[in-house]
Amino acid sequence: EAEVAQSPRYKITEKSQAVAFWCDPISGHATLYWYRQILGQGPELLVQFQDESVVDDSQLPKDRFSAERLKGVDSTLKIQPAELGDSAMYLCASSSDRVIGYTFGSGTRLTVV
Amino acid sequence: QQQVKQSPQSLIVQKGGISIINCAYENTAFDYFPWYQQFPGKGPALLIAIRPDVSEKKEGRFTISFNKSAKQFSLHIMDSQPGDSATYFCAASKGAGRRALTFGSGTRLQVQP
Repeated sequence: EAEVAQSPRYKITEKSQAVAFWCDPISGHATLYWYRQILGQGPELLVQFQDESVVDDSQLPKDRFSAERLKGVDSTLKIQPAELGDSAMYLCASSSDRVIGYTFGSGTRLTVV
Repeated sequence: QQQVKQSPQSLIVQKGGISIINCAYENTAFDYFPWYQQFPGKGPALLIAIRPDVSEKKEGRFTISFNKSAKQFSLHIMDSQPGDSATYFCAASKGAGRRALTFGSGTRLQVQP
């Protein structure tokens, strides 16, 4: 069964440091999403890509967060500088127009100390 | 603005009982309503989903009931098992598969043996 790959699984970083997360969506899925999930809450969208273009980044804190999907396949989400409030699970998901559904990766658990 | 409201926040059910989780949405443009199951440290996994042209969908022990006029949908888990203990999220999207999901706040289900 096809999966969305994310790495690393866990990341501990000091505040003010830079951190990056990587996602490889299901092959052929043109749409890729980054979500942030704070413990005990539902996931909230940070950014949506259609191929290599950003479709929606209205909830992305652009002063410290950036995301790219240069070749329209895998994607990187970066935080610089990290703040204590950024501690959360960062989830990547992908979807396709051909088959309705969204598949999530296992996420990256970020702890900022 | 919370576009998808979920209740209850937590639920305790005896083994063999029925678990019921409810969601209400505000945006009438939503046309895809999935339910996700999430275990600690894992990403959300799709359980079952419904489109607004049907009022009920059943897959095994899981049933979605959908009330378009009331803008509500619910998940019923029949014959609940301890292995069903997890957090459940309802979600909604418009242009299913092409736009991001909006999630409810989650229900933590505990099935007691």
